[in-house]
Amino acid sequence: KNEVEQSPQNLTAQEGEFITINCSYSVGISALHWLQQHPGGGIVSLFMLSSGKKKHGRLIATINIQEKHSSLHITASHPRDSAVYICAGRSNFGNEKLTFGTGTRLTIIP
Amino acid sequence: GAGVSQTPSNKVTEKGKYVELRCDPISGHTALYWYRQSLGQGPEFLIYFQGTGAADDSGLPNDRFFAVRPEGSVSTLKIQRTERGDSAVYLCASSLTGTGGQSGYTFGSGTRLTVV
Repeated sequence: KNEVEQSPQNLTAQEGEFITINCSYSVGISALHWLQQHPGGGIVSLFMLSSGKKKHGRLIATINIQEKHSSLHITASHPRDSAVYICAGRSNFGNEKLTFGTGTRLTIIP
Repeated sequence: GAGVSQTPSNKVTEKGKYVELRCDPISGHTALYWYRQSLGQGPEFLIYFQGTGAADDSGLPNDRFFAVRPEGSVSTLKIQRTERGDSAVYLCASSLTGTGGQSGYTFGSGTRLTVV
C-alpha cells in the first residue's frame, strides 16, 4: 500500500463539470501539496495546505487532518485544465521531503 | 534566476556511459531536492541538500548515483555506468529552508534521461 494514494487514477469529464480528486495518506505530514503536471512539462505547485481550505480561482483544496484526507476541486472545468494532478505529503521530519501519490490524469472534453 | 533551471532538458546516452544533470535553484533557496519520475509513476525522492551538505541521501538507489552542491547553489546529479532502468525524468526542486517552515516548493522542468 502506497503511503499517499489518489483516486481516481484517470478522470474524463465534459467541459463545465465540477471535478473532485481525492488524496489519502498514511504517513505523518506537516503539509500536503497539490501539484499540476502537463505532458512534457514540469511540475507547478498549486497549493500547500496544513489545515482547512484554500481557494485560487476555480481551484479549491481542502484537508481533513484527523481523517488524513485531502480533496482538490475544480469548478467550471475547461479543456486547459487537462493535466496530471498529484498530491504529495511533506515530511514532518527535518528534511521536509515530499512523498508523492501516483497522480490523477484529468481530461476535459470540449 | 526567476525559477529553477535544469539542464539539459533532454539527454540520450548509451548504456554504460556517465551523465551529469544540472540544477540551478532559485537564488536564496537553501534547500534543494532531487526526485526521479518513471513513466506513469509519481516522483520519488532521491536526495536533499541543506546548503552544501547532503542532509538526506536515503533515496539514491545505489552507489552509481551521486550528487553535489559545492557552493550551496547549483547542484549536479551524477550517474555512473548508466543502465536502461535509469531512464526517467529527473526533477529538481528548491525551497526556503526551515524545519516546520511553510515555504512552498518550486520545481524545475526536469531532465528527461533516456539510456539506450
